[in-house]
Amino acid sequence: KNEVEQSPQNLTAQEGEFITINCSYSVGISALHWLQQHPGGGIVSLFMLSSGKKKHGRLIATINIQEKHSSLHITASHPRDSAVYICAVFFGNEKLTFGTGTRLTIIP
Amino acid sequence: EPEVTQTPSHQVTQMGQEVILRCVPISNHLYFYWYRQILGQKVEFLVSFYNNEISEKSEIFDDQFSVERPDGSNFTLKIRSTKLEDSAMYFCASNTGLGETQYFGPGTRLLVL
Repeated sequence: KNEVEQSPQNLTAQEGEFITINCSYSVGISALHWLQQHPGGGIVSLFMLSSGKKKHGRLIATINIQEKHSSLHITASHPRDSAVYICAVFFGNEKLTFGTGTRLTIIP
Repeated sequence: EPEVTQTPSHQVTQMGQEVILRCVPISNHLYFYWYRQILGQKVEFLVSFYNNEISEKSEIFDDQFSVERPDGSNFTLKIRSTKLEDSAMYFCASNTGLGETQYFGPGTRLLVL
């Protein structure tokens, strides 16, 4: 069965801390999305990657295809980073299969 | 920067009524999607649409649901006879090609009473 697991489910950290959110999936994929969902509900695509590593500002995403695992890192975290971060994958077809999300809260 | 838009932002309807949710994808995109998120649950795929026809749909997308691209810009999701369990946030997304980054609209929050 094609599944996506995220950990942790909830994460609270102090401003400035380095954050890591993990995603693992059950079978081979063609690509993986990291998404950010704000309290109002809107979804923003942060990264799409199929190998290696991508960086955008304070956000870094890595993927290990052999281990079926991806991580999202946030450096120098800030309260405005507080959101739900969602991992979603393409299992070789058109539809995205979503993880349950990680709720991140950054305390000033 | 181009973005996906959705209307209405909120809709309240009575059980059994028909609703149409509207989306305007990014203009040069070719693939269109509908997803839903029931409160407190994960986002679920409903349907993908390409070249004026459904290319893939989930088990959720039964005969009560339909999609249409009535003109060159709008992409609609119709629920024929709403049920209480259809209450959810519905997201539209679009992209330029298979496996490419999908761009999401802000969502329509549907409440069925």
